[in-house]
This record gives sequence, structure tokens and C-alpha cells, in this order.
Amino acid sequence: DQQVKQNSPSLSVQEGRISILNCDYTNSMFDYFLWYKKYPAEGPTFLISISSIKDKNEDGRFTVFLNKSAKHLSLHIVPSQPGDSAVYFCAALNYNAGNMLTFGGGTRLMVKP
Amino acid sequence: DTAVSQTPKYLVTQMGNDKSIKCEQNLGHDTMYWYKQDSKKFLKIMFSYNNKELIINETVPNRFSPKSPDKAHLNLHINSLELGDSAVYFCASSLNGGSLYEQYFGPGTRLTVT
Repeated sequence: DQQVKQNSPSLSVQEGRISILNCDYTNSMFDYFLWYKKYPAEGPTFLISISSIKDKNEDGRFTVFLNKSAKHLSLHIVPSQPGDSAVYFCAALNYNAGNMLTFGGGTRLMVKP
Repeated sequence: DTAVSQTPKYLVTQMGNDKSIKCEQNLGHDTMYWYKQDSKKFLKIMFSYNNKELIINETVPNRFSPKSPDKAHLNLHINSLELGDSAVYFCASSLNGGSLYEQYFGPGTRLTVT
């Protein structure tokens, strides 16, 4: 039973345009949400996060939006760059459950020059 | 300077053997984790450990055991290896408290059981 889902396994975007990666979750006990970026043969790299008490967090070209009522979050990358091509994982945690991350299945983003 | 390091990067072994993977972090973090990425690329938590508490994901077989000689290290021991244990194993660490819950990952250890 996947508690965090990324329904798009892949996404292709033109350089300079917006990339929107989506994530849905089912566990209402999740308090904190994170996005990770992963290149082949490397570990996931932390990108941006958001607490459940907020609905938006921005860091440079990256913005994460949280819609708690819909149990949905999204990552916006503007403008997209070829170096952004990677697999993006959405993750969630419950403060009271050992801070262990529950990951989605990932979305492979390809940014074309 | 590598923040979270793992050794070895690749490990090939036979069924039934016992093996260990080492993890070290130099970030001063107080909590460490082990994750498994299976053949379908799903990342799943195995353990969360600080000096007070070990939390085990209930789906992890008891052939797997974490061992922490000190705060900077969390090694993963696997007994009686099985074919299904083949995966990439990632160590991670975090500093818990306040509003910071980001975890930092090592480069992974690819385990192949033949």
C-alpha cells in the first residue's frame, strides 16, 4: 500500500519552460514533505521541503506547493535547465514516527535544450 | 569533504553469506537511517537510529541488523544473504529538532547476491 504516489513516471520539458512534478499522499498523519533529486549512481540530494502548516515554500527556481485538503503537493521548477534532468522523489514524514521518510516512486524529468 | 560516506560502493556475494556495509557521517547529526532501493527503484526505510532509540520498519527481516559504534557511524549487518536482498542500500543522516528534518544521503552500496 503506497502512502506516497507519484503518478507520472516521466516528464519531458523544453529548456526555459516550467516543470511541474506532482505527488499525492494518503496518510493524514504526515507533517512534513520533502523533494529529493537523484542522479544515476548517486544518493538522493535534498532539494526543498515544506511543513504541513504552510502551503508554499520557495527557494530560487524551485517552489513547492502543498494542498492539505487534497493531500497533494507539487514541485515547480522555473525556468527548467538541462542540468535539472534527473529523477525527482517526493517524500513525507510523521514527526512522531522516528522521522523516517516515506518515498514516492519517483518521476524522471528530462529537460531538452 | 564527503558528508555521508558508505563502503563498499559495490558488493557481490553468494547466497548464505554474512556481509556488512559501513556508513559514516561527518555532519554532526544525531540520527542515522538505512534505506533500500529495490529493483523497481522504490526507496524504502529500513531503520531509524539515534543514541536513544532504534526504530525498525516492520517489513525488514531480522537477518538485517544495524550496529552503531558511535554517533557518526551506523553499519548494516546482513546474515544469511538471499537473492532478494540484491538492491542498492542508502545510508542517511539528519539533525532532528527545530524545523529541520532534511536527511542527507550517502552514495549508495549496490549489493548483488548470486
